[in-house]
Amino acid sequence: DIHMTQSPSSLSASVGDRVTITCRASQDIRNKLVWFQQKPGKAPKSLIYAASSLQSGVPSRFSGSGSGTDFTLTISSLQPEDFATYYCQHYNGFPLTFGGGTKVEIK
Amino acid sequence: EVQLVESGGGLVQPGGSLRLSCVVSGFTFSEYYMDWVRQAPGQGPEWIGRSRNRAKSYTTEYAASVEGRFTISRDHSQNSLYLQMDSLKTEDTAVYHCIRGVTIPGGKIVFGEWGQGSLVTVSS
Repeated sequence: DIHMTQSPSSLSASVGDRVTITCRASQDIRNKLVWFQQKPGKAPKSLIYAASSLQSGVPSRFSGSGSGTDFTLTISSLQPEDFATYYCQHYNGFPLTFGGGTKVEIK
Repeated sequence: EVQLVESGGGLVQPGGSLRLSCVVSGFTFSEYYMDWVRQAPGQGPEWIGRSRNRAKSYTTEYAASVEGRFTISRDHSQNSLYLQMDSLKTEDTAVYHCIRGVTIPGGKIVFGEWGQGSLVTVSS
């Protein structure tokens, strides 16, 4: 199985800050990575697929990069509605697996 | 509008069985891959299984943690996806979501719309 490791597990930031979350795969997954945002009591929402392609309707302050084993989600200017937990997930074969999550909290 | 509505969750004893349903609308059910993902309280999501579409003969894949205990099926007359869960364990306690798979450029399937989820609690 491909193991996905996210860091940090949590962070505190202020509105307007630039935030970076990393995700590392235990083996090469090329660009087969999705980033999700989840708010309490809600289902996850897809932000980015294929490591760097923005889902329709997602604000352009979100961006993704990386290939192979190392990936990054960046929020260029954190907004109040961005405080949530973020997960990466690979789709390079079965089983599909998720990272452990990064909780973005208000400083 | 795409909608997925799960039902059938509840409290069940270890070793028991439960069947979850996911009624879908707003798209042609037979043309889409469908997945089940669960999320235990305070934990991240865990993929548990996939049903491919008619073009792929509705074949299925399962996570090792549920293989042999859980079964995914469809009833197209009811626009419904099912998750039959047998030999339940306490560690199966979670909110279970059904998800419509969507095709991205390059032909791969990723998670599209999610249902709101159905809570399954396995406890004596």
